[in-house]
Amino acid sequence: DGGITQSPKYLFRKEGQNVTLSCEQNLNHDAMYWYRQDPGQGLRLIYYSQIVNDFQKGDIAEGYSVSREKKESFPLTVTSAQKNPTAFYLCASSAAGTGSSPLHFGNGTRLTVT
Amino acid sequence: QKEVEQDPGPLSVPEGAIVSLNCTYSNSAFQYFMWYRQYSRKGPELLMYTYSSGNKEDGRFTAQVDKSSKYISLFIRDSQPSDSATYLCFMFSGGYNKLIFGAGTRLAVHP
Repeated sequence: DGGITQSPKYLFRKEGQNVTLSCEQNLNHDAMYWYRQDPGQGLRLIYYSQIVNDFQKGDIAEGYSVSREKKESFPLTVTSAQKNPTAFYLCASSAAGTGSSPLHFGNGTRLTVT
Repeated sequence: QKEVEQDPGPLSVPEGAIVSLNCTYSNSAFQYFMWYRQYSRKGPELLMYTYSSGNKEDGRFTAQVDKSSKYISLFIRDSQPSDSATYLCFMFSGGYNKLIFGAGTRLAVHP
């Protein structure tokens, strides 16, 4: 069964700690994305990657970092520099090309920082 | 003004009603339009994907795009309690230049 796996489903961290969220896909998609979802604000793009070893900042990249060493994996690190890290984080992927393919999402990681 | 406007609701309808969900946008560069359904604590799932102006039907769902008015709609016929979810419009220009989600509309269909 092809899909996107995000782990863990729930994550709790103390303020000041970095935390890494996992995203793995077996859809053979070239492009991968990280979104943050807050109540009433829809989804906001953090980072995206069109190809291995390359990634671009989205609209709210400050306080986050990513890597794309393998096609299947696109981990997101929430650093201590992120002012309001508590949120629902969604990873997505799409077949690349002209940038016209729909996004397929994982089931998210809910991060709570206290 | 946001590039994509979507009424957050909540929208409450009786079972069997026709539901109309809408998004307006300001950037004429948007070429691809999608509707996603998101259940609580889950990731969004793709419902409809359209490119050109006009209507596209899939079962009880119809997506409508009017590029001249910069307006897209999703219609749900014979709504069911299982349709209760948040519906997100999503649009982008080609080549990853712009990818924007609406804020989502919460729909509740009551028996």
